[in-house]
Amino acid sequence: NAGVTQTPKFRVLKTGQSMTLLCAQDMNHEYMYWYRQDPGMGLRLIHYSVGEGTTAKGEVPDGYNVSRLKKQNFLLGLESAAPSQTSVYFCASRYTGATEAFFGQGTRLTVV
Amino acid sequence: AQRVTQPEKLLSVFKGAPVELKCNYSYSGSPELFWYVQYSRQRLQLLLRHISRESIKGFTADLNKGETSFHLKKPFAQEEDSAMYYCALSNILTGGGNKLTFGTGTQLKVEL
Repeated sequence: NAGVTQTPKFRVLKTGQSMTLLCAQDMNHEYMYWYRQDPGMGLRLIHYSVGEGTTAKGEVPDGYNVSRLKKQNFLLGLESAAPSQTSVYFCASRYTGATEAFFGQGTRLTVV
Repeated sequence: AQRVTQPEKLLSVFKGAPVELKCNYSYSGSPELFWYVQYSRQRLQLLLRHISRESIKGFTADLNKGETSFHLKKPFAQEEDSAMYYCALSNILTGGGNKLTFGTGTQLKVEL
C-alpha cells in the first residue's frame, strides 16, 4: 500500500521554466491538497480539491495551477517558475470529514 | 478567519524533562484540532487528534475552548521525540470539504 506518492522528490529549475508535480494516492480519498513548507511559515495551502474534476484556491495560489482529472491524481503546475517558489511542496489526501490527512514525502524545488 | 499560532519556533529540553508545546487557535465554529509530527527527513504524520482524547507515544493534548488552546504535553521527554511539531485546525471550506490550517511549527530538541 503506497499511500501518497509525490513525483519528483527533487528538482532544480531555472527562472521562467515550467514543471508539473504529480501527487498520486491509492486510498480512494476524496480530498487532496497541495501545501508549501517554508522556514518560519509552516505549511500554507496552495490549492485543494474536494473531488474528481474540482479544484479551488487556497491561501497562496498565485503562480500555480492544478488539475484533478482522475480521483487518484492531483497535479500542481508552475507555468513560469520564480525564485520565490523555492520551497518544499507537500501533497496530502484524506477522506471526507475531520479525518487524518496522509502526506506525501515532499518535493524539494529550487528555482535559480 | 481561522488561525493557528505556535509561539515557539524552537523548544530545547533535557531528556526526562517535561515538554509542553503551545498551540492557540482562532476559529468561529467548533474546532477540530490535530497535532502532526515530522521527524527528520520524513513525511508529516498524525500524532493525535482532540476528538479521540488518546495518548500517543506518551503525548497528550487537551482542547481548552475557554483559552482557545490545544497544547501538547509529555511528562518525560525522550531523545526520539526530537522533531518538528505542527498544530493544525480542520475547518469547513466555503465550497465544501475540509482543509487543515497549520501553525508555523515548533522544533523540539531533546538533549542528553
